[in-house]
Amino acid sequence: DTGVSQDPRHKITKRGQNVTFRCDPISEHNRLYWYRQTLGQGPEFLTYFQNEAQLEKSRLLSDRFSAERPKGSFSTLEIQRTEQGDSAMYLCASSSPRITTDTQYFGPGTRLTVL
Amino acid sequence: AQSVAQPEDQVNVAEGNPLTVKCTYSVSGNPYLFWYVQYPNRGLQFLLKYITGDNLVKGSYGFEAEFNKSQTSFHLKKPSALVSDSALYFCAVLRAGKSTFGDGTTLTVKP
Repeated sequence: DTGVSQDPRHKITKRGQNVTFRCDPISEHNRLYWYRQTLGQGPEFLTYFQNEAQLEKSRLLSDRFSAERPKGSFSTLEIQRTEQGDSAMYLCASSSPRITTDTQYFGPGTRLTVL
Repeated sequence: AQSVAQPEDQVNVAEGNPLTVKCTYSVSGNPYLFWYVQYPNRGLQFLLKYITGDNLVKGSYGFEAEFNKSQTSFHLKKPSALVSDSALYFCAVLRAGKSTFGDGTTLTVKP
């Protein structure tokens, strides 16, 4: 068990470009979460999967954002037509109601900078 | 809607003194409550949680937290602070799959 991993760790892009981030959860965990964190604030919930089903989606997640977890293992978060306001740290976490009583374990994050 | 408040942006204590980082919450039903710590350029690390049972919860690195239902609080405590405890601390509430975090409290422990 190597913990939650995220790729890339850093991404710099130009406004209007599309970006995709990947999250690999802890293997036994069936729940996966995406958050966005900006400087001086706590993580803001974006979306949550149980296995491959996306069960909850925040109003923060505009139409430009989409997340998938096709086989109930890794997940991707895509941002289309990036804007400068999308610059933030994107955090992924995983949990298991059975194993961790839903304690979420976080990855190191992907820092996105939109120029 | 659920919410978490951490009323202090910054807490400063001297090494060896007790520390308290405050958290209050608002949520319907019985929440799960968590504390996480974040070091610079690192992800969040789990410290402790309250699900049910004893109101005093013990966690990693000598931290503990007291759940107070009537005051809707979940304050983080440590009897004797270390310089290495200096970091950003987040309180969170989990209900029905959705987590809400506070804005964090920066703890600085001075030698």
